[in-house]
Amino acid sequence: AQSVTQLGSHVSVSEGALVLLRCNYSSSVPPYLFWYVQYPNQGLQLLLKYTSAATLVKGINGFEAEFKKSETSFHLTKPSAHMSDAAEYFCAVSDHGTSGTYKYIFGTGTRLKVLA
Amino acid sequence: GAVVSQHPSWVICKSGTSVKIECRSLDFQATTMFWYRQFPKQSLMLMATSNEGSKATYEQGVEKDKFLINHASLTLSTLTVTSAHPEDSSFYICSAASSRRNEQFFGPGTRLTVL
Repeated sequence: AQSVTQLGSHVSVSEGALVLLRCNYSSSVPPYLFWYVQYPNQGLQLLLKYTSAATLVKGINGFEAEFKKSETSFHLTKPSAHMSDAAEYFCAVSDHGTSGTYKYIFGTGTRLKVLA
Repeated sequence: GAVVSQHPSWVICKSGTSVKIECRSLDFQATTMFWYRQFPKQSLMLMATSNEGSKATYEQGVEKDKFLINHASLTLSTLTVTSAHPEDSSFYICSAASSRRNEQFFGPGTRLTVL
């Protein structure tokens, strides 16, 4: 069974400050992990994904995440927040088809607010 | 890239009517498609998984007679909300996956408002 926990339903940072959004996972098989961003009334946009290659994954818009197996974490970071980063962020885990379904389990989401 | 489209992007209907939402994979063959529902300020909730040519597998608590899913081809899945009621108003998102691309690609979503 798989699960995802996103700590902090709301995170506020000042413009230019470090962004850190937390994601912890549980998986009985080596997982694939994803971070998505969602702007109001829009679909999901993939920020980055971990698919068992490099543990430090770089994504779009300056975001990156590090897969830490020992901590079962996949936290999302960005060195300097921009006003346009204000959105909802979702972490997801997948068994990448080992069960034959490619199902994703989503976290509950973290709403990022960027203060001027 | 892998592109998934949804149509319509938004729809308003009267209570008691049925609404069909289309999900298409534009540049790859999707052996599996997923339908999600998202309420305001909440996460995505998986409603059902459909494999081409097979009956959909519904998640617990999702009424299969109310949310009819058809996956008749490798590039098209449809979700029909039958006898819609105001509580069915939500944001519906589809995604597509294939064995060659073992990750999901998401559509832009459809906003359904039932009056």
